[in-house]
Amino acid sequence: EIVLTQSPTTIAASPGEKVTITCRASSSVSYMYWYQQKSGASPKLWIYDTSKLASGVPNRFSGSGSGTSYSLTINTMETEDAATYYCQQWSSTPPTFGSGTKLEIK
Amino acid sequence: QVTLKESGPGMLQPSKTLSLTCSFSGFSLSTSGMVVSWIRQPSGKSLEWLAAIDWDGDKYYNPSLKSRLTVSKDTSNTQVFLKITSVDIADTATYYCVAGFPFAYWGQGTLVTVSS
Repeated sequence: EIVLTQSPTTIAASPGEKVTITCRASSSVSYMYWYQQKSGASPKLWIYDTSKLASGVPNRFSGSGSGTSYSLTINTMETEDAATYYCQQWSSTPPTFGSGTKLEIK
Repeated sequence: QVTLKESGPGMLQPSKTLSLTCSFSGFSLSTSGMVVSWIRQPSGKSLEWLAAIDWDGDKYYNPSLKSRLTVSKDTSNTQVFLKITSVDIADTATYYCVAGFPFAYWGQGTLVTVSS
């Protein structure tokens, strides 16, 4: 199965700061998906097909990448963005998730 | 509006069979291309995809758990089921029912605790 490695594991950012989360795949994938999960809640689809924002996602978020290296970027951090973010692939079965990046407010 | 709700036993003993039900509305599993997956998450850990069933009745399993999993749906295409045999403590997790791919619609999850 394809292993997804996220970095960093935890990051603290100040409001207004730019944040980048990286996801590296053990084999090449066609697309990457990102999910946001806040404490006690179900995950939400955040970015699909590598760079498309899900409905309702602020445009300060963006996704990019190809092959084995993908990233999620927040252009200007806001307090509501504090959450855990997971990358996910389904270029091969089984679909797999990264271990998550916890984003905190500094 | 798409809604999904998982139900399960809450707690069960090791070696037993876990039976989960996903009841959903707002979409039809008979619609071409639709798929419903089961995904679990141990407390404080990441997500693990377990199984899926699609509109055509085709079933997909995580190879690491395939021998223990059975996914099915009802004939009215409003419920999906998951059975996990021979559970142990490592199966303690919140179990989510998720519709579509990408995984766009999530249920609230049901916590299953395996304990003697």
